[in-house]
Amino acid sequence: SQQGEEDPQALSIQEGENATMNCSYKTSINNLQWYRQNSGRGLVHLILIRSNEREKHSGRLRVTLDTSKKSSSLLITASRAADTASYFCATFTYSGNTPLVFGKGTRLSVIA
Amino acid sequence: DVKVTQSSRYLVKRTGEKVFLECVQDMDHENMFWYRQDPGLGLRLIYFSYDVKMKEKGDIPEGYSVSREKKERFSLILESASTNQTSMYLCASSFRGLAGQYEQYFGPGTRLTVT
Repeated sequence: SQQGEEDPQALSIQEGENATMNCSYKTSINNLQWYRQNSGRGLVHLILIRSNEREKHSGRLRVTLDTSKKSSSLLITASRAADTASYFCATFTYSGNTPLVFGKGTRLSVIA
Repeated sequence: DVKVTQSSRYLVKRTGEKVFLECVQDMDHENMFWYRQDPGLGLRLIYFSYDVKMKEKGDIPEGYSVSREKKERFSLILESASTNQTSMYLCASSFRGLAGQYEQYFGPGTRLTVT
């Protein structure tokens, strides 16, 4: 039951540039979360944004949420080679005890 | 720091074997999850648990079972391993609350190959 869909599927940028990834979803949500996965490892939580929030920041990360368009974006500013990873959005909808639903991810490559 | 550990990073098993994947978390989290991750398919939820001895089916429970006898440990069992269960298996945990309400903490993953 995939809900979030990331776009683009893959992104390649130069070090120092900004990277923007988008996530679209189909049904109303209560929160949306972004995770990072380095190659062959587990996922690491980056940011959680609730449905009544429009924007959140964490260091070089900026997340926006537009519930009217059912979309979110993750911006990484001044990217570094260490940001090379896959990025996943995950949505939560309050309905019984539903778990997070993950998208398929955006593969980001930052070239030094 | 929250720590979620998985018993093996890499595992090779034969078709028909019974396989146990163990996951332990040290943050007293109520909720625990098992996912599998395959190229092009993303993360898919197999089972989750929100309390000891409780379990809920996820999207793809067929061919799997789970056990949660202690709060910190959540085991995934492949009753009779098949080649289509070759995958990366990820365990996660989160605080009490609805299953997706809070951030999840992931283990490093177990890459299982069934030959």
